[in-house]
Amino acid sequence: DTAVSQTPKYLVTQMGNDKSIKCEQNLGHDTMYWYKQDSKKFLKIMFSYNNKELIINETVPNRFSPKSPDKAHLNLHINSLELGDSAVYFCASSQTRTVNEKLFFGSGTQLSVL
Amino acid sequence: AQTVTQSQPEMSVQEAETVTLSCTYDTSESDYYLFWYKQPPSRQMILVIRQEAYKQQNATENRFSVNFQKAAKSFSLKISDSQLGDAAMYFCAYRGAGNMLTFGGGTRLMVKP
Repeated sequence: DTAVSQTPKYLVTQMGNDKSIKCEQNLGHDTMYWYKQDSKKFLKIMFSYNNKELIINETVPNRFSPKSPDKAHLNLHINSLELGDSAVYFCASSQTRTVNEKLFFGSGTQLSVL
Repeated sequence: AQTVTQSQPEMSVQEAETVTLSCTYDTSESDYYLFWYKQPPSRQMILVIRQEAYKQQNATENRFSVNFQKAAKSFSLKISDSQLGDAAMYFCAYRGAGNMLTFGGGTRLMVKP
């Protein structure tokens, strides 16, 4: 039973396309996140949702739009894909927003934009 | 904004030996947590150990321990009796009142048989 699952694991697409990455957690957590890991392995927060409400929105192009239909799901939609969007995208969740909470990560989605 | 710095892009250690990975951070907060995550080639992010800033005692998890120096804002990870399965990227991370988990740039650890 995978705690945080992302689909797809790999995504290869052309510039200009629109794509979505889905994330689901079965842990009953209230808070979910999207992180981006670039080619140099640097991990940076993109978004955070708590009970379906957006609470963190870092400096991310508005081509990226997160959607949380319920607190177990946080999907990431990307419009007009660019070469620079190529990266590994990680979904994560935590029980609450409190400081000591451990984050559980999905296995990542490797996005390659050609 | 908080920053996390890992000054060693790569480290190597002989199997069964001990290695220490460095991490420093910058913050004006007094209440925060520090974490070490491991990322093997499978890409999965695995929590190794965490430390609360208010606790003076250093956290320990089996072969993994930390040296937390709050005044120096230093949080190093010591791996004892290194095993081949320890080879991975290791990320130091900070989490404070802003809720975000802020990562350092990572250290690639290689374990030599």
